[in-house]
Amino acid sequence: SFDLTQPTSLSVFPGQTTTITCSASDLGDKYTSWYQQKPGQSPLLIIYEDHKRPSGISERFSGSHSGPTATLTISGTQPMDEADYFCQAWDSSVVFGGGTKLTVL
Amino acid sequence: QVQLQESGPGLVKPSQTLSLTCSVSGDSIITGSSFWSWIRQPAGKGLEWIGYISVSGTTNYNASLKSRATIAVDTSTKQFSLKLNSVTAADTAVYFCARLGPQLAFDFWGQGILVTVSS
Repeated sequence: SFDLTQPTSLSVFPGQTTTITCSASDLGDKYTSWYQQKPGQSPLLIIYEDHKRPSGISERFSGSHSGPTATLTISGTQPMDEADYFCQAWDSSVVFGGGTKLTVL
Repeated sequence: QVQLQESGPGLVKPSQTLSLTCSVSGDSIITGSSFWSWIRQPAGKGLEWIGYISVSGTTNYNASLKSRATIAVDTSTKQFSLKLNSVTAADTAVYFCARLGPQLAFDFWGQGILVTVSS
C-alpha cells in the first residue's frame, strides 16, 4: 500500500481558482478519484478516473494527473465549495488522502 | 440510482463486537462489477477504508485493522454487514457503507451511522 499526501488546508477568495494536489511516489499508474464532503454529510464523488465527472457535478470541477501527482481544480470558486476534499486511489486496496479543508474567504 | 442505509447499535462496549448492516435499494446488489464497502471517519478526521466484498464473496480488508473486521453479503435480503471485534475507543467513528463501482470509485454512499465505543 502507499500514502496519499494532500495539503491540510487551503484558503481562497471567491472567484479564484482552487488547486488541490494529491501525491504519492507510485501514484503514476493508478487512477485517482476525488470527493467533496460538507459538514454532517456523506462524501460526494466529484471526479473519477483522474478527470471524469459524474453526472450532475459542476463543470467548475476538473481533475488531472501527471506522474506522482493528481490535481483537483475548482474554477471560479464559490462559497458553496467550502468543504473537505479527499483524494482516493486503488492499489490492491483502497487508499484515501488525509483530506484538504477548503475555506472560501 | 442506488441507495444505501446503515443500521446498528450506536453504542458498543470496549472489547465487544461492533455489528452494522447496510441495506441496498434501487439497484441490484448482485451487479458483478460492484464492491460493497465499509469506510469510517473519526470525528474531525479523514476517511479510513475498512474493506469490501464482492457479490461472489471475495473480500479485501485494510491491513491496519489486523484482521478484526469481517464483511459478509446476503443477496437475498440485499444487505451486507460489518463485524469489527475487540473494539476500543479508537474505533469510535461515523461508519459509512458505500458502493465501489467499476470505475474503482465510491459512487454511492449511505448517510453514515455514529458508533461510540464506551463502557
